[in-house]
Parts: sequence; C-alpha cells; structure tokens
Amino acid sequence: GAGVSQSPSNKVTEKGKDVELRCDPISGHTALYWYRQSLGQGLEFLIYFQGNSAPDKSGLPSDRFSAERTGGSVSTLTIQRTQQEDSAVYLCASSALTGSAVGYTFGSGTRLTVV
Amino acid sequence: TQLLEQSPQFLSIQEGENLTVYCNSSSVFSSLQWYRQEPGEGPVLLVTVVTGGEVKKLKRLTFQFGDARKDSSLHITAAQPGDTGLYLCAGPPSGGSNYKLTFGKGTLLTVNP
Repeated sequence: GAGVSQSPSNKVTEKGKDVELRCDPISGHTALYWYRQSLGQGLEFLIYFQGNSAPDKSGLPSDRFSAERTGGSVSTLTIQRTQQEDSAVYLCASSALTGSAVGYTFGSGTRLTVV
Repeated sequence: TQLLEQSPQFLSIQEGENLTVYCNSSSVFSSLQWYRQEPGEGPVLLVTVVTGGEVKKLKRLTFQFGDARKDSSLHITAAQPGDTGLYLCAGPPSGGSNYKLTFGKGTLLTVNP
C-alpha cells in the first residue's frame, strides 16, 4: 500500500487478556520497527526486523511481549496477559534501507488501553 | 536520564510569529532527524541532518545540526496554524546500532489563528 497500515487503531482489553497488533509495512520495505509511545515517555524502541528475522529484540519489556514477521511483510506484535502498564500507543514503522540517515515511515499506531 | 532533551516542552504562539525549538544531548549522534506528529497519527519525517554544522531549509522551516553533532535546532518563520503539532527529534547515538533511533519527548507547538 501507499503507507504503513496498522490495525486495530484502538483496542480496549481487560487485564490478563492477550492482544495482537498488526502492521502492514510499505511494499518492498525490508526493515520494520515497533516502538511504544507512552504519555510523558516519548517513543521507546521495542524490536527491529530485517526481512523475517529479528536481530534486535532488546527493547521488548518482558517475555509477555513477542513479535513475528512473515513473508517479509506483515508483522504481528503479541502481548500476553496484558497489564495496565502496557497501555500505550504502539507504533510500527518501515524503511527501505537501514542506516544512520535513513528516516522511518510510521503508521498511525494502535492505541491500547488495558482496563 | 533522557538522552535527547527537547525544549521547550510546550509552546503556544500567535500566527505569524517566529519560534525556535531545541534538541540537546551530551552524546554525539551519527545523524538527527526531525518528525512532526499530529493527534492520532504517527510521526512524519521532516528532515535528516548528517554533517556537523549542516543547515537545511524546508520552506519556512530551518534545521541546524550542531558542529559537534550533539544538538540541533528547528526554527519556524511566520508560523501558521497548520504548523501545530508535536515536534520530535531522534537519532542513532554514534557507535550504537544505526537502525535504532533514540527519541526526545518532543515540543508540543500550538499556533493560534
């Protein structure tokens, strides 16, 4: 597609439930990133994919968080046993290349609220 | 400790005024990027600066990267209501992974008509 697409745009879930967040990057973009934006915290790196591989998962906050990417395209971020502190906007971005001067194209994000 | 400090945190001005926002660090960055984010949307890339001392202009916006590559500024001339948004600076710290951006917390700009 023309841009990075994320779904759902909003998700309200009960504490303890599992959620899946989807990201469809720009076609042909081999690099894909997940970030989390919390109120007052700024954007925090979660995970980086190059193709279907995730060489850097260092930002995942706990083992309740996992992500996969299939076909070098769509990625899913899964949060198991959600907690209230997981409430945030989850942003996905993609880029055609990687490098210090390469800018990201972000999706509009999924706003997750855990009640 | 925030690696990239942005100031001011909030800025409210009238249409037609000029303004400057700042992005500072004690660390050297390979490059710095500026994004603008509107409510309910993801950040949109405005510019990337790579060379120390570099100045880039994008219409009414002027971006500068410090000589030591530790700081950057964004100057807007004759601000318009459409400039309203959260301005974020980001970059990969020098010596770190070049794909992983560190973000500042942003400057929330409101331009009143």
